[in-house]
Amino acid sequence: DTAVSQTPKYLVTQMGNDKSIKCEQNLGHDTMYWYKQDSKKFLKIMFSYNNKELIINETVPNRFSPKSPDKAHLNLHINSLELGDSAVYFCASSQDFGDSHEQYFGPGTRLTVT
Amino acid sequence: TQLLEQSPQFLSIQEGENLTVYCNSSSVFSSLQWYRQEPGEGPVLLVTVVTGGEVKKLKRLTFQFGDARKDSSLHITAAQPGDTGLYLCAGSWSFGAGTTVTVRA
Repeated sequence: DTAVSQTPKYLVTQMGNDKSIKCEQNLGHDTMYWYKQDSKKFLKIMFSYNNKELIINETVPNRFSPKSPDKAHLNLHINSLELGDSAVYFCASSQDFGDSHEQYFGPGTRLTVT
Repeated sequence: TQLLEQSPQFLSIQEGENLTVYCNSSSVFSSLQWYRQEPGEGPVLLVTVVTGGEVKKLKRLTFQFGDARKDSSLHITAAQPGDTGLYLCAGSWSFGAGTTVTVRA
């Protein structure tokens, strides 16, 4: 059983389009995250939700909007895609919110904007 | 944002050799975590160090947390090709830039 799953694995789209990435965790965790990993492998947190409530919202363009319909799901919607949005996006979850909690990462979604 | 600096950026060694990866910051962390990431996959947690001066061992991997809780190191003894990967340190949701380790057979 996959603990943290993301769909799609690969996403190729043109500038200006709107796209969504879905994430689900079956670990029973209360906290979920979205990270962006750039071409240099630098991993940066974007958002965190705890019990469906947004608790971390880093400096991310308003074009990015997370949505958590329930504790097990955290989706990421991106409007008006730009070339600079090309990256690998990782979803992660942890048992609770707190910087010492172990995070479990999904396999990533490689987004390519042309 | 608390900055974590990792060194070296790249490390290529022969099977059987030892290696050490460093993670440094000017900030104090309540804990630091080490992850390994393989191509096409997400990072996988190796260890969490919590107490200053703490040493944790995971088979051939030894992790140390600095006394002041500002730095950490990962030491691999007798490295094997299976240790190849991107090693990331993390604290308070901030990640270091990573160390790419390549172990040649």
